[in-house]
Amino acid sequence: DSGVTQTPKHLITATGQRVTLRCSPRSGDLSVYWYQQSLDQGLQFLIQYYNGEERAKGNILERFSAQQFPDLHSELNLSSLELGDSALYFCASSVGLAGGHGTDTQYFGPGTRLTVL
Amino acid sequence: ILNVEQSPQSLHVQEGDSTNFTCSFPSSNFYALHWYRWETAKSPEALFVMTLNGDEKKKGRISATLNTKEGYSYLYIKGSQPEDSATYLCALLTFSGSARQLTFGSGTQLTVLP
Repeated sequence: DSGVTQTPKHLITATGQRVTLRCSPRSGDLSVYWYQQSLDQGLQFLIQYYNGEERAKGNILERFSAQQFPDLHSELNLSSLELGDSALYFCASSVGLAGGHGTDTQYFGPGTRLTVL
Repeated sequence: ILNVEQSPQSLHVQEGDSTNFTCSFPSSNFYALHWYRWETAKSPEALFVMTLNGDEKKKGRISATLNTKEGYSYLYIKGSQPEDSATYLCALLTFSGSARQLTFGSGTQLTVLP
């Protein structure tokens, strides 16, 4: 158990809908990262937050957004869902060395499996 | 597009065998390399973070080396056990504008046969 929690574990929804995935980082971790793993692709970095502020952005679609709250939990919002958004979404957290730019180890949560029908 | 390549894609070994696999990356713009172990139906588990050329890290029977000048890292498993069966991922930490992000390879899937 990494100490990172994600809810829900599974989510089934229809195209065009909007969902919110939630992540609670390890106690004391300031950085939160979101990753997507589709069937035909490896882990893809989406976005990072550090202490409430966006720190880095990867291949995140405009239909997706995220935020980190004062209690450091984070939410990933996916809207206008398409079939191709079906994937495993991981959240990871790290201590956040050097203002979130450090080489610190990332600890992954169990993931949320999203199925869009 | 940054290419982080891992080889082989999959590997079957007998229990007790030692094995190794490779992660290759562009040697420019290097900041750090992460190794993860990912068992089926679980989440990736951090093994090592490597930053310096010539770094060698060890965790039990698993060790890793890093050559930033030629752009590769090796992961070694000594005396493989069935519980070592997993996908081993490497990820390169690089700059993305003013921030850094991890770019993952596609992994080496290891199966250790009893």
